[in-house]
Amino acid sequence: AQKVTQAQTEISVVEKEDVTLDCVYETRDTTYYLFWYKQPPSGELVFLIRRNSFDEQNEISGRYSWNFQKSTSSFNFTITASQVVDSAVYFCALGDAYSGAGSYQLTFGKGTKLSVIP
Amino acid sequence: DARVTQTPRHKVTEMGQEVTMRCQPILGHNTVFWYRQTMMQGLELLAYFRNRAPLDDSGMPKDRFSAEMPDATLATLKIQPSEPRDSAVYFCASGRIGQNTEAFFGQGTRLTVV
Repeated sequence: AQKVTQAQTEISVVEKEDVTLDCVYETRDTTYYLFWYKQPPSGELVFLIRRNSFDEQNEISGRYSWNFQKSTSSFNFTITASQVVDSAVYFCALGDAYSGAGSYQLTFGKGTKLSVIP
Repeated sequence: DARVTQTPRHKVTEMGQEVTMRCQPILGHNTVFWYRQTMMQGLELLAYFRNRAPLDDSGMPKDRFSAEMPDATLATLKIQPSEPRDSAVYFCASGRIGQNTEAFFGQGTRLTVV
C-alpha cells in the first residue's frame, strides 16, 4: 500500500527565514511519481512539482527547492527567504505509475500548514 | 488559460436531500478524478474515469454515492441521500495520460450537510 507521511502538522516562521517541509513516502513499486501541491487560504490546489522515481536530481525553481533521496524515501521541500504569500497548506503526494490512471492516482499526505509571519 | 471548472462552489443542504456536483474537465483531458477533503481524513480519492469509463470507484461509498461522465465535457458526483458526515470539500481533477504533466485540480465544491 502507498503511504505519505508529513510529520510536521504546522510550522511558523518569520518572513525571510528558510523553511523545510518534510515528506516521507512508502511504496513497493520501483516506478512511481512524487508531487508537491500548495493549498492557499482560498482553497484551490496548486501544482508545484512532479518528479519520477528515476530522477533523483534535486531541483530548484526560484525560492523553491526539492531534495529527493530514494535511500531514505524522502522528498523534502525547502522555501528560501520565505514570504507572507507562502502561507498555505502544502501537500506531498505519491502517484501510482501502475494504475489505469497513469501517475494521476495520488495518495496525499495530511499536509503541513505553513504560516509566515511578517 | 485552461482550467477545471466545478459547480457549485458552495452548497448547503439538509440531511436526506440529493446533492449533485458538476465538473468540467480541461478540453482534451481523458482522465477525470474525484477527491474528497476532510479535516480528519485529508485528501482521499473517491473515483476516476478514463475516456469516460469508470475505472475505479473503490474509495466511494456505493450505497449513496454515484459518479458519472455523461460526455467528455461533464463529470458528475451525486450523493443521495446526503448525511452530515458527507460534509467536505470535493475536488475534481483532470489530466491526459501520455502527456508528462500533472493533474489539474478544480477549485472544489464545499458541501455542508446540516
